[in-house]
Amino acid sequence: KQEVTQIPAALSVPEGENLVLNCSFTDSAIYNLQWFRQDPGKGLTSLLLIQSSQREQTSGRLNASLDKSSGRSTLYIAASQPGDSATYLCAVRNSGNTPLVFGKGTRLSVIA
Amino acid sequence: GAVVSQHPSWVICKSGTSVKIECRSLDFQATTMFWYRQFPKQSLMLMATSNEGSKATYEQGVEKDKFLINHASLTLSTLTVTSAHPEDSSFYICSAIQVPEAFFGQGTRLTVV
Repeated sequence: KQEVTQIPAALSVPEGENLVLNCSFTDSAIYNLQWFRQDPGKGLTSLLLIQSSQREQTSGRLNASLDKSSGRSTLYIAASQPGDSATYLCAVRNSGNTPLVFGKGTRLSVIA
Repeated sequence: GAVVSQHPSWVICKSGTSVKIECRSLDFQATTMFWYRQFPKQSLMLMATSNEGSKATYEQGVEKDKFLINHASLTLSTLTVTSAHPEDSSFYICSAIQVPEAFFGQGTRLTVV
């Protein structure tokens, strides 16, 4: 059974810092991996999608990498801003029509 | 990207009553939709897989008679929480896949008083 772990559970950084969020998964035979952002009491905002054949994806200040063989992904946030404060969720799918399996998330606080 | 619409966004109901939550794929057809539940400060846990034209598949520990799922068309799945109790208060969110990406509704915050 696929399990997803995210480290750290919480992170507080001063504005402007670059930071890395980590995600690991137990079954490396994934179809793809998605990173989401969730603001308190809100739904999910999809940030980046990495297919199993890809190594990384970039969107603005966000860069996500995937090392499928080792079961790891990282989300890199450059020049963090207070507006980046949210919970970041990593999730994987094992095939094209199966549900996402989520990690518990990393709660990020960026202090002005 | 594709749009998944979920209604209502929030609902308050009395103990013992039933609540229906709708999940629609607006610009694509979804033979399969997924229902998740999220308790405060917890992650999303899959409750069930909704299959168009057939019975839903429930995850272990989820009561199928309490959480009724109907997927009557290729664009609509509904989740009915029957005889709701305060412990059913949670954030419910649906998802549909337009390959290769999973898209999510806005979520429904259910409070049972």
